[in-house]
Amino acid sequence: TQLLEQSPQFLSIQEGENLTVYCNSSSVFSSLQWYRQEPGEGPVLLVTVVTGGEVKKLKRLTFQFGDARKDSSLHITAAQPGDTGLYLCAGERDGQNFVFGPGTRLSVLP
Amino acid sequence: KAGVTQTPRYLIKTRGQQVTLSCSPISGHRSVSWYQQTPGQGLQFLFEYFSETQRNKGNFPGRFSGRQFSNSRSEMNVSTLELGDSALYLCASAEIGHEQYFGPGTRLTVT
Repeated sequence: TQLLEQSPQFLSIQEGENLTVYCNSSSVFSSLQWYRQEPGEGPVLLVTVVTGGEVKKLKRLTFQFGDARKDSSLHITAAQPGDTGLYLCAGERDGQNFVFGPGTRLSVLP
Repeated sequence: KAGVTQTPRYLIKTRGQQVTLSCSPISGHRSVSWYQQTPGQGLQFLFEYFSETQRNKGNFPGRFSGRQFSNSRSEMNVSTLELGDSALYLCASAEIGHEQYFGPGTRLTVT
């Protein structure tokens, strides 16, 4: 079983639509990161959230960390084809390695 | 600063052979972690090195090993390759307590 679950697994939308992807766990994390990965490349860090209830915005992307620090969401407003990629969340537990979710593969069609 | 570099980018090996992959971290980063990424299992942690010492280890067989040099560069080795070892191997570097940054990966194909 995965320590971190992500949903949906796949998402295909039209340019201009809004979307939300989720990252859930039964474990508490000291911090949680979101990455975007394009084919054949390594993941690129988008944001780190550390405080329960924290909301961070990065242009059209809004990240939220759950109050209990067990879950997170990523909301994209007015998606563009350049947002296409694999979105990964990764949780850090104190003194331990990062644990990654399986990812949400997003396709934004022009 | 230059990013994390990994060599080679692509590699084809046959079953039973061994392979060594290299990672050069971002200048000043002393922590290097290795991950295996496959379509079925996603990103899985292999091990982390800091100041030439292994700090954490994932749940992989002993055929997977690594080391870190005094300049923080790291290598990982896989012996007696199996078909299931075909994957994208990613290296990430970090300053302790800070975010990790990934390299582009080495795509290993075992035939």
